[in-house]
Amino acid sequence: EPEVTQTPSHQVTQMGQEVILRCVPISNHLYFYWYRQILGQKVEFLVSFYNNEISEKSEIFDDQFSVERPDGSNFTLKIRSTKLEDSAMYFCASRRTGWVPQHFGDGTRLSIL
Amino acid sequence: KQEVTQIPAALSVPEGENLVLNCSFTDSAIYNLQWFRQDPGKGLTSLLLIQSSQREQTSGRLNASLDKSSGRSTLYIAASQPGDSATYLCAVETPRGAQKLVFGQGTRLTINP
Repeated sequence: EPEVTQTPSHQVTQMGQEVILRCVPISNHLYFYWYRQILGQKVEFLVSFYNNEISEKSEIFDDQFSVERPDGSNFTLKIRSTKLEDSAMYFCASRRTGWVPQHFGDGTRLSIL
Repeated sequence: KQEVTQIPAALSVPEGENLVLNCSFTDSAIYNLQWFRQDPGKGLTSLLLIQSSQREQTSGRLNASLDKSSGRSTLYIAASQPGDSATYLCAVETPRGAQKLVFGQGTRLTINP
């Protein structure tokens, strides 16, 4: 069964550095999402992407964040200058159109030192 | 703003018992509701999706119900097994815009052999 794949599984970065999290959504899916889960807290929506543009973003998704679909298969989340509070598990999700579930990757654990 | 709450936060039962996990949401205008399973350090596995026009969905030993007007959903697990031990997350999909998911904080379930 097709899966959403995320790399790396764990990323350790110094505060202030840029980080790029990568996702390969399921191939016939058209809607793409990033969520994050800070340890012990709820999963939170960050941003959604459809038709090569952001369709919605949360208040968390400030100017330090950006998303891109550079080549028709990858979907990336960039954090420009990381902060300690960006430490979290970041999940990518995708889905087709219609009454269908979102499919999630296994996540990237981001640790900011 | 949609809020999702899950009760209880944790539940421990002996193997073989039937059990019910509860989810409530504040805004009945939802597109659908999904139940997920999350194993420690892992991604989110979709278990069941109930469309807003449906009352319940079944998959194997799992049955999820939806009462949209009262803002409640339940996940019923029959004949529980140790392999069912995980955190169960409820999420509602918003009907407008990107149809993002709003998550509850989860119920951590432990099935004792």
